[in-house]
Amino acid sequence: QVQLVQSGSELKKPGASVKVSCKASGYTFISYAMNWVRQAPGQGLEWMGWINTNNGNPTYAQGFTGRFVFSLDTSVSTAYLQINSLKAEDTAVYYCARESGRGVVTAINYWGQGTLVTVSS
Amino acid sequence: DIQMTQSPSSLSASVGDRVTITCQASQDITNYVNWYQRKPGKAPKLLIYDASNLETGVPSRFSGSGSGTDFTFTINSLQSEDIATYYCQQYDNLPGTFGQGTKVEIK
Repeated sequence: QVQLVQSGSELKKPGASVKVSCKASGYTFISYAMNWVRQAPGQGLEWMGWINTNNGNPTYAQGFTGRFVFSLDTSVSTAYLQINSLKAEDTAVYYCARESGRGVVTAINYWGQGTLVTVSS
Repeated sequence: DIQMTQSPSSLSASVGDRVTITCQASQDITNYVNWYQRKPGKAPKLLIYDASNLETGVPSRFSGSGSGTDFTFTINSLQSEDIATYYCQQYDNLPGTFGQGTKVEIK
């Protein structure tokens, strides 16, 4: 069965970087795009963008350009989200989420369990 | 960006009740709506896709309807295991925006 298993919670200081991993199993990794979604405390779900797992090309939503980097290691079926120059407002749960294959990348049918990133001095 | 206005933000109902959640899109999105269930500490789960199609393996007490701008999600005969937060999401246009969520509790 399809599984997306994310790395564990992180506590970071402002200005540091963090890299969240999302290991996929149960399907052909490069056949489905991967989305990233954020939920800050008390806020709703916010789509951050997606990465083409076939060619590694990322697309970032407005507000997630510059400090946010999507990457892949297809040899281990893993997607990564790196956030640089962390700020307190980056504190959130970050989800990877696989597209369903119905032709629209944001039509998501599988999610990771979420990774809590806390930014605090 | 397309806004998805979801209501109510929370509700309390008894086991066996019918529960209805609505989402209104800020523009016509045809039927490009998903509904998800999220339980604390677990991955969100897709329940309904394309506004009204039940995802494989999802109990038939869950259903969705609507098109254009107005969408409805229904739980017929609420069960204790349905305690969760439910979200709508449109995927007609990027970014794929979500409703604010509805927290469902047992009365």
